[in-house]
Amino acid sequence: DVKVTQSSRYLVKRTGEKVFLECVQDMDHENMFWYRQDPGLGLRLIYFSYDVKMKEKGDIPEGYSVSREKKERFSLILESASTNQTSMYLCASSFIGQTTEQYFGPGTRLTVT
Amino acid sequence: GIQVEQSPPDLILQEGANSTLRCNFSDSVNNLQWFHQNPWGQLINLFYIPSGTKQNGRLSATTVATERYSLLYISSSQTTDSGVYFCAAVHSGAGSYQLTFGKGTKLSVIP
Repeated sequence: DVKVTQSSRYLVKRTGEKVFLECVQDMDHENMFWYRQDPGLGLRLIYFSYDVKMKEKGDIPEGYSVSREKKERFSLILESASTNQTSMYLCASSFIGQTTEQYFGPGTRLTVT
Repeated sequence: GIQVEQSPPDLILQEGANSTLRCNFSDSVNNLQWFHQNPWGQLINLFYIPSGTKQNGRLSATTVATERYSLLYISSSQTTDSGVYFCAAVHSGAGSYQLTFGKGTKLSVIP
């Protein structure tokens, strides 16, 4: 069974704090993704990574950075959290290529006050 | 980029009824997936179906890639089927791995 885990289910942070969201997968997947989900806007890709230390911007990278030092772990970093980053964050992983199935973690509901 | 449209946006069913959810996409795709989002927000994989037909218990799906649509069938619906169903696709021409999601169909199954 594919397993994608995220470090927190719920997180509350203050404006200006540095926030780390972590994602770990146990299937030796090359690709890892960070999406955010907002009412009315749906799911949108923030960043993805196709290998260790490799990253590509998605549709909405502004205000975020990522880190992938190990194959199984992909971190999303909010350098200085703002209230408009309050959202549901979903991590996913898949084998290399366009035709491979993506599997999602349970999500982290982040509130920035 | 590719557009993914789902219909209907909302659906209310009596327990035991059957339903068909539709997903239209604007261009050729390499990957098409159906998900069920549970009340806690997790996306559960239902089908990976860029073409053809698959069945899993009371659920089945068909993708006709040449006509750019996919259908998800739910038979003998149960209250536990309630939630939001998403269709998502990877555009084959973009060289991207990104899943583009539809807005979802919110299904409510009432006893």
